[in-house]
Amino acid sequence: EAGVAQSPRYKIIEKRQSVAFWCNPISGHATLYWYQQILGQGPKLLIQFQNNGVVDDSQLPKDRFSAERLKGVDSTLKIQPAKLEDSAVYLCASSPEGGKVYGYTFGSGTRLTVV
Amino acid sequence: DQQVKQNSPSLSVQEGRISILNCDYTNSMFDYFLWYKKYPAEGPTFLISISSIKDKNEDGRFTVFLNKSAKHLSLHIVPSQPGDSAVYFCAATRRFTGTASKLTFGTGTRLQVTL
Repeated sequence: EAGVAQSPRYKIIEKRQSVAFWCNPISGHATLYWYQQILGQGPKLLIQFQNNGVVDDSQLPKDRFSAERLKGVDSTLKIQPAKLEDSAVYLCASSPEGGKVYGYTFGSGTRLTVV
Repeated sequence: DQQVKQNSPSLSVQEGRISILNCDYTNSMFDYFLWYKKYPAEGPTFLISISSIKDKNEDGRFTVFLNKSAKHLSLHIVPSQPGDSAVYFCAATRRFTGTASKLTFGTGTRLQVTL
């Protein structure tokens, strides 16, 4: 089966600019997650979708970050405006349904550098 | 508030020997624990997991031990191989809640297996 697809792989932007990341989960996976991994730290959940509804966005900086999952399939994460501390790898993951942690598959991530 | 801790940022082991990676957690509500392996420029991949009702789970060369009273788990790799060189993340979750599949990660341990 195809894995979780993410694009772009790398992005360099200046602070205060906007950026968007795209994720296409494994076909049929109802749950989609966006994680942020800052260098030297473990991944941190930003937002979790169940189909096209938000389950958990408690750690999403909503003043600058937004995410959507239209039609319950692929998803877009946006940062506007970006700050230096947003430099990180943004990982998308999907699972068949909430609670099935053994089906949790990550994409390769998008490495964002804010200069 | 670091609920999952990996206090050893790096570990070097000779090929053929045992690698032991440690993880501590503070949240007693966690009931499922996972280890992920991450190569550079790739997303984390699931390695092995353990439920809180068990104290050991084995899969080939990989064994995870859980000590609930100490809130400690460890991953044993025997024998270690050069291909095991990667960053290993410990993660924890509460399975039977509305956000059961949210994973809380440690900061990772970089394992290097030398010849």
